[in-house]
Amino acid sequence: GDSVTQMEGPVTLSEEAFLTINCTYTATGYPSLFWYVQYPGEGLQLLLKATKADDKGSNKGFEATYRKETTSFHLEKGSVQVSDSAVYFCALSAGGQQGAQKLVFGQGTRLTINP
Amino acid sequence: KAGVTQTPRYLIKTRGQQVTLSCSPISGHRSVSWYQQTPGQGLQFLFEYFSETQRNKGNFPGRFSGRQFSNSRSEMNVSTLELGDSALYLCASSFRLPYNEQFFGPGTRLTVL
Repeated sequence: GDSVTQMEGPVTLSEEAFLTINCTYTATGYPSLFWYVQYPGEGLQLLLKATKADDKGSNKGFEATYRKETTSFHLEKGSVQVSDSAVYFCALSAGGQQGAQKLVFGQGTRLTINP
Repeated sequence: KAGVTQTPRYLIKTRGQQVTLSCSPISGHRSVSWYQQTPGQGLQFLFEYFSETQRNKGNFPGRFSGRQFSNSRSEMNVSTLELGDSALYLCASSFRLPYNEQFFGPGTRLTVL
């Protein structure tokens, strides 16, 4: 079945450091890929998305490129801030003509940024 | 536009009881999905409703059920609660196609004692 694997956390960085959170997936068909972020006590917020191979999603300085050849969707940010501290989830949505409308999530990566 | 709303935000129940959670999607969204989030299992898909019909179902026992009303609002019910049902229950809404981009509510934190 479809699955998503994220790098194990927690990840702790200093402010202004470069961030990479690895994400690889297994899916039949042609999934859409997403990164969601969850702040303490809140639900999930969509951070960025990519719907086909070689698409680059970007938002708030975060970027991720849909790499079909390596089945990856790694999240990157050039300079992190304390406010980026949260849990990040990689997810895919795959399905047929009707759209599976089911997100499969990775296990989440807790990110802590120290001032 | 108002976001996805879920009520109540917090619930405490005892084993054997049943519970009903409510979700109001973003205006115009006709698809509502439910997810369970626990520290051990992470985020798991429960089911999806579209136009009052369940379209997809995850691998959960029959104690978990749901429904959707004509205004797209959805309810989720868990009967005969077990300790392991303690979790954050998240509702998400979307237009369903084409990219399945889902917008999440803040969740209902259920504690079973």
